[in-house]
Amino acid sequence: GENVEQHPSTLSVQEGDSAVIKCTYSDSASNYFPWYKQELGKRPQLIIDIRSNVGEKKDQRIAVTLNKTAKHFSLHITETQPEDSAVYFCAASRWGNLIFGKGTKLSVKP
Amino acid sequence: DTAVSQTPKYLVTQMGNDKSIKCEQNLGHDTMYWYKQDSKKFLKIMFSYNNKELIINETVPNRFSPKSPDKAHLNLHINSLELGDSAVYFCASSQDGVGLAINKQYFGPGTRLTVT
Repeated sequence: GENVEQHPSTLSVQEGDSAVIKCTYSDSASNYFPWYKQELGKRPQLIIDIRSNVGEKKDQRIAVTLNKTAKHFSLHITETQPEDSAVYFCAASRWGNLIFGKGTKLSVKP
Repeated sequence: DTAVSQTPKYLVTQMGNDKSIKCEQNLGHDTMYWYKQDSKKFLKIMFSYNNKELIINETVPNRFSPKSPDKAHLNLHINSLELGDSAVYFCASSQDGVGLAINKQYFGPGTRLTVT
């Protein structure tokens, strides 16, 4: 079955810097790759997603890139703000069920 | 107007008891899911269900059973609760059915289950 590896597990940046989180997946048939943000005590919230027929997608300060050949995808957050502090999860899916990475705890220091 | 809701928000119970968690979505979605988030924050799929198919993660004990009275509800029943069942359980829903490959999943607020 699918396996998703996510790195780093923790990431600390200064406000205004960029943050990059990387994920790899094992099932070449996976075709949908969402990213979720989870604040403490809250539900995971979908922040951006990408499908396998697209290499890059951007939404304001957030962007995701996908390399199908290498089977990895990344989340890029530019101009980080303290409110970006949260746990970020990547996931991969082929038939609907999301297989999640283990999460990255992002801390943005003011 | 809540999209995906769960009750209760907190559930504290003793080992051996049977409990249920309810989930409702008002998005008109076709498929609903249950995920378990353990103490290390790892999110793992337990079930996915639409009106045609139930897919069970093979690692889920048969003490856990989903029950769907209608398309908008997917409840989770847990029998003979164990200490290791303590976790946060999230319900989610998506528009496309299982097998159509691509879904945007929206999560409920979670139910924190504590087994003592």
